[in-house]
Amino acid sequence: QSALTQPASVSGSPGQSITISCTGTSSDVGGYDFVSWYQQYPGKTPKVMIYAVRNRPSGVSNRFSGSKSGNTASLTISGLQAEDEADYYCTSYTSSITPLYVFGTGTKVTVL
Amino acid sequence: QLQLQESGPGLVKPSETLSLSCTVSGGSISSSHYHWGWLRQSPGKGLEWIGSVYNSGNTFYNPSLKSRVTISVDSSKNQVSLRLTSVTAADTAVYYCTKVISFYFYMDVWGKGTTVAVSS
Repeated sequence: QSALTQPASVSGSPGQSITISCTGTSSDVGGYDFVSWYQQYPGKTPKVMIYAVRNRPSGVSNRFSGSKSGNTASLTISGLQAEDEADYYCTSYTSSITPLYVFGTGTKVTVL
Repeated sequence: QLQLQESGPGLVKPSETLSLSCTVSGGSISSSHYHWGWLRQSPGKGLEWIGSVYNSGNTFYNPSLKSRVTISVDSSKNQVSLRLTSVTAADTAVYYCTKVISFYFYMDVWGKGTTVAVSS
């Protein structure tokens, strides 16, 4: 099962908006609206930021938003802040072989 | 607030079996709305899904690990268990227990993770 493709790094200045892409196939990202995004600080536990493509859990800043087009999902961070500097992973439900999840390769977000 | 705590040996010898437990507190281990998953993260690498177990007992495993993995739920102990046989250095990782929202297939609660090294 191949991992979802994410850019290795994305950077932006405070206040700017950045977008992280997550590209899969019609068997995962394109086939289901079950894409979620996780933020992970070094040495810390991942935290869900977006689920079901575009839904924010309670407590997550509305500066984080998700979308999907075809086989590519995206996470946009608006009004970039220093605290947003972390690793971000996408994941999707997939049924290509047996029901399972496939994770993205991860993106390091740097706030300049 | 439901919390998860992984536990188990931090060092396992090659070819032996890795056994981890995840204790669920602050909530019910049995629900039709969520199930349980194990994930891992090798040093400096990304996240990898190991497998999931539903309260019905149904299990689903990553095909790359399926021949070596067993995940189970013990409701009497409020624990979810992971067993990985014939380990090698490639199984060295931080192992996470997660609660998975069944309807949307996402992990909303994570344990702090436990580090397991495979070395002789």
